[in-house]
Amino acid sequence: DQQVKQNSPSLSVQEGRISILNCDYTNSMFDYFLWYKKYPAEGPTFLISISSIKDKNEDGRFTVFLNKSAKHLSLHIVPSQPGDSAVYFCAAPTQGGSEKLVFGKGTKLTVNP
Amino acid sequence: ETGVTQSPTHLIKTRGQQVTLRCSSQSGHNTVSWYQQALGQGPQFIFQYYREEENGRGNFPPRFSGLQFPNYSSELNVNALELDDSALYLCASSLGRMDIQYFGAGTRLSVL
Repeated sequence: DQQVKQNSPSLSVQEGRISILNCDYTNSMFDYFLWYKKYPAEGPTFLISISSIKDKNEDGRFTVFLNKSAKHLSLHIVPSQPGDSAVYFCAAPTQGGSEKLVFGKGTKLTVNP
Repeated sequence: ETGVTQSPTHLIKTRGQQVTLRCSSQSGHNTVSWYQQALGQGPQFIFQYYREEENGRGNFPPRFSGLQFPNYSSELNVNALELDDSALYLCASSLGRMDIQYFGAGTRLSVL
């Protein structure tokens, strides 16, 4: 049972436009979410997070929106740059003190010059 | 400041063999988590070590075991390798159990 779902395996956008990556979750106990970015041959890199007490968190070109009633979050990248081309993972820590991260399958973003 | 480093980068083993993967955590981090990432999937949690004690385990059989050393580096051991163990193994360290996890580049294991 996948608790975190990224239903779009890939996304292609033009440089300068907005990229929107989506993530759905099933576990209503999740109260914190993270986005990681992964380049080939590198490990995932932490990008941005959001707590369930907020509905938006912004960091430069990256904004994450959380809709708790829909159990949905999205990552917006504006403007998109070719260097943003990577696989993006949505993740949530499960409860219990160990902060086990549950990941989605990822969305491969390609930003075309 | 040195980040999370993993060794080896790549490894080829045959079915039934045993393997040890190593991870050096980021300076100051006392928590290490291990993940398995199969092709086309997101990372899956194997287990976490906090101050040398196992602190949570995912749905992996006992032939997956680990250690954390006093310097907070860690090992992942897999016995009786199976073909399905072929994957990227990622190590992540964090300041504490509840903090942001920072990942190494991983070890690519191929089981033939």
